[in-house]
Amino acid sequence: QKEVEQNSGPLSVPEGAIASLNCTYSDRVSQSFFWYRQYSGKSPELIMSIYSNGDKEDGRFTAQLNKASQYVSLLIRDSQPSDSATYLCAVTMDSGAGSYQLTFGKGTKLSVIP
Amino acid sequence: GAVVSQHPSRVICKSGTSVKIECRSLDFQATTMFWYRQFPKQSLMLMATSNEGSKATYEQGVEKDKFLINHASLTLSTLTVTSAHPEDSSFYICSATRGSSYNEQFFGPGTRLTVL
Repeated sequence: QKEVEQNSGPLSVPEGAIASLNCTYSDRVSQSFFWYRQYSGKSPELIMSIYSNGDKEDGRFTAQLNKASQYVSLLIRDSQPSDSATYLCAVTMDSGAGSYQLTFGKGTKLSVIP
Repeated sequence: GAVVSQHPSRVICKSGTSVKIECRSLDFQATTMFWYRQFPKQSLMLMATSNEGSKATYEQGVEKDKFLINHASLTLSTLTVTSAHPEDSSFYICSATRGSSYNEQFFGPGTRLTVL
């Protein structure tokens, strides 16, 4: 069964620190990887997408991908209380007949302590 | 760009009634739209994949006669929950892609359904 694994947390970091969120996936041929942020009671919001090995930076966010290890991570620098949310790792997996679907991890709850 | 809207945002209905939820891509044409359901403290579960002009593809365990999906245009998909029961109470979220389903999905704000 194709899966995406995340630590559920909660992960607590002090304001200004770096938050590190990790994700592993089971489908070796996956090509697209995403991080979504979801506030309580709201729908997911796309933060980062990454498609090739290495790092991708966007503001305070850096996504890291290692396809050989089937591992993707998200670093949040200078964490702010407004970053407190659940972070969902999502991986595109082949659903058959040439179509793809997003498989989500269960999410890591991040709390940034002022 | 890539804004997706949903209507209504919240609905309360009596058991046995049907509820229609609309999902629109406002500033792009969505080749594929997806419908998810999320129960409290759980992750998103894909219900179905919808392509304009064709029948939706439902995930295993999702009753296609209960959750009717219509994708009438490249900017509109609807989900109708027929004969709703309390166990159907959930957060329903749609998403859309601009290209192939390989690409990033943009989510609507969700519809919270409560069935009394």
